[in-house]
Amino acid sequence: QQPVQSPQAVILREGEDAVINCSSSKALYSVHWYRQKHGEAPVFLMILLKGGEQKGHEKISASFNEKKQQSSLYLTASQLSYSGTYFCGTEMEYGNKLVFGAGTILRVKS
Amino acid sequence: DVKVTQSSRYLVKRTGEKVFLECVQDMDHENMFWYRQDPGLGLRLIYFSYDVKMKEKGDIPEGYSVSREKKERFSLILESASTNQTSMYLCASSFAWGDVSYEQYFGPGTRLTVT
Repeated sequence: QQPVQSPQAVILREGEDAVINCSSSKALYSVHWYRQKHGEAPVFLMILLKGGEQKGHEKISASFNEKKQQSSLYLTASQLSYSGTYFCGTEMEYGNKLVFGAGTILRVKS
Repeated sequence: DVKVTQSSRYLVKRTGEKVFLECVQDMDHENMFWYRQDPGLGLRLIYFSYDVKMKEKGDIPEGYSVSREKKERFSLILESASTNQTSMYLCASSFAWGDVSYEQYFGPGTRLTVT
């Protein structure tokens, strides 16, 4: 039931782009994305809702393919501040109970 | 700003002790959650509550119980702590209205070590 995130880790140079994927074996109601910096609490980035509605962050975008039961997070022109672990949380039906993936470690180097 | 606070950042307990982890949120959120975070496993839901005195089991409730007597406070109880409960515990809260999904706000976490 836990969604699968890929890649597990990625290293970028400043200015490079990255894509993080989140795949589920079940139909999804929504997908949440969070970023956690080392030693800090996870912070909300974005929600993608069934039907295509999207709420989120100004410099990071995402897509939600309901048929493929998959979401992708796009980080463009990465900055040092993007470093952290990114988690997707999937919701199978309305109820706000999320199942999180294992996380993707992103490191941006100067 | 939404604030979710947890009673301790670090806690060391002995095997068999009863452990209480407290979480308080100040935004009048209906939903509250307890997760544990372990390397390589992500965040796993232990219990959640959608109203005062209401609770539902998450994915890994064994060995834990919860209490929500007031809307702003959600407690996680380890009835008899064991070494395999050594972990980072995160509390979160979220708004609830209609059938819309809302973001969760997390506390700073409690790193519990059971010896």
